[in-house]
Amino acid sequence: QVQMEQSGAEVKEPGASVKISCKAAGYTFTNYHVHWVRQAPGQGLEWMGIINPSDGSTSYTQKFQGRISMTADKSVNTLFMEISGLESDDTALYYCARERADSSQEGLDPWGQGTLVTVSS
Amino acid sequence: QSVLTQPPSVSGAPGQRVTISCIGTNSNLGDIYDVHWYQHLPGTVPRLLIYANTHRPSGVPDRFSGSKSGTLASLAITGLQAEDEADYYCQSFDNTLSAWVFGGGTKLTVV
Repeated sequence: QVQMEQSGAEVKEPGASVKISCKAAGYTFTNYHVHWVRQAPGQGLEWMGIINPSDGSTSYTQKFQGRISMTADKSVNTLFMEISGLESDDTALYYCARERADSSQEGLDPWGQGTLVTVSS
Repeated sequence: QSVLTQPPSVSGAPGQRVTISCIGTNSNLGDIYDVHWYQHLPGTVPRLLIYANTHRPSGVPDRFSGSKSGTLASLAITGLQAEDEADYYCQSFDNTLSAWVFGGGTKLTVV
């Protein structure tokens, strides 16, 4: 069964960094790109970026350029996303989501359960 | 302000048919890029409902259907049920932004 298991909730102070993990299981880790998406309270889904676990190549939405880093550890089938310089607006539920297909654009499925990051002093 | 425009809300009575629109531009829907639709119920994980414009993943009822023409994509839900009450999002790729984008989301209320 394909699963994406995310790390637990985090509470951080403004200016700090947070690193979220997403452990993949049930498929060949390097064959599928993984996206990161967030949802702030009362807001819609916001795409953050994508990583190719095979070679570690990434693409981030411009809003987060210079502030986020997505990595993949093939030895433990785990993706990571680190956000630096946290602000209160970064309080959100963060999801990792695998692409449904390995060779064409077919949406995101499955999704991790989400990691709540709260930024508060 | 998303590059994919959805109505903030739609509503319908049980058994009725509703459609949710997703309006894009020539740099996303109007180009070669497909649209995907997600259902997001409160307290749950987003669920892929329609991929590549018209395809349903296994397990998604055939009450849900998708279409795309030019810069307009639509999600149709027939035989509305109370359990369909959720937020619905369209998603595509934008080649000007070089980024995936979501629509702003549409809240479906079953009245």
